[in-house]
Amino acid sequence: KNEVEQSPQNLTAQEGEFITINCSYSVGISALHWLQQHPGGGIVSLFMLSSGKKKHGRLIATINIQEKHSSLHITASHPRDSAVYICAVGQGAQKLVFGQGTRLTINP
Amino acid sequence: DAGVIQSPRHEVTEMGQEVTLRCKPISGHDYLFWYRQTMMRGLELLIYFNNNVPIDDSGMPEDRFSAKMPNASFSTLKIQPSEPRDSAVYFCASSFSGDYGYTFGSGTRLTVV
Repeated sequence: KNEVEQSPQNLTAQEGEFITINCSYSVGISALHWLQQHPGGGIVSLFMLSSGKKKHGRLIATINIQEKHSSLHITASHPRDSAVYICAVGQGAQKLVFGQGTRLTINP
Repeated sequence: DAGVIQSPRHEVTEMGQEVTLRCKPISGHDYLFWYRQTMMRGLELLIYFNNNVPIDDSGMPEDRFSAKMPNASFSTLKIQPSEPRDSAVYFCASSFSGDYGYTFGSGTRLTVV
């Protein structure tokens, strides 16, 4: 079993829909990262969480340390949100362990 | 700050040639990481440094791979000799132990033919 599991692996939705991507992990962590990667593109850090909830624009990330679970939400989804979203966990500033990624496609 | 800078962006080389990838981390960051991304295996850690010292190189595939960090502002990943199975996107990232902030470079897409 992978240390970091994401679901779903693929998600297709219509523009405007509310999107949720889930991440569960089995190791002790000090921080969880949500990353975004557009096709053929680099990796952008969206959020770093150690507790609670963070919001940036239409993106919201939550984490439940006790349940070892995090969610990434996108409100009013748009075709430009189409990308691979990667959950990664780490100890301090040290190496990250990555989930397999969720490929999100938003159709107009 | 310009972020983590990697060069080259793309590299096409013939099997058996030496390849050198370069990375300039964000100033002040004390950790530097080399990751490799492939369709089959996703993102995997190759090696990371703390204050220029290699900490964990267990992800380096074999002796053909080597990495150095001669100073806080520069690191290289070298593959010699290169093989077609080394074709991948190689990402450099840096982080700061003070706030765990993590920044990735734009990656180097390596194709070995």
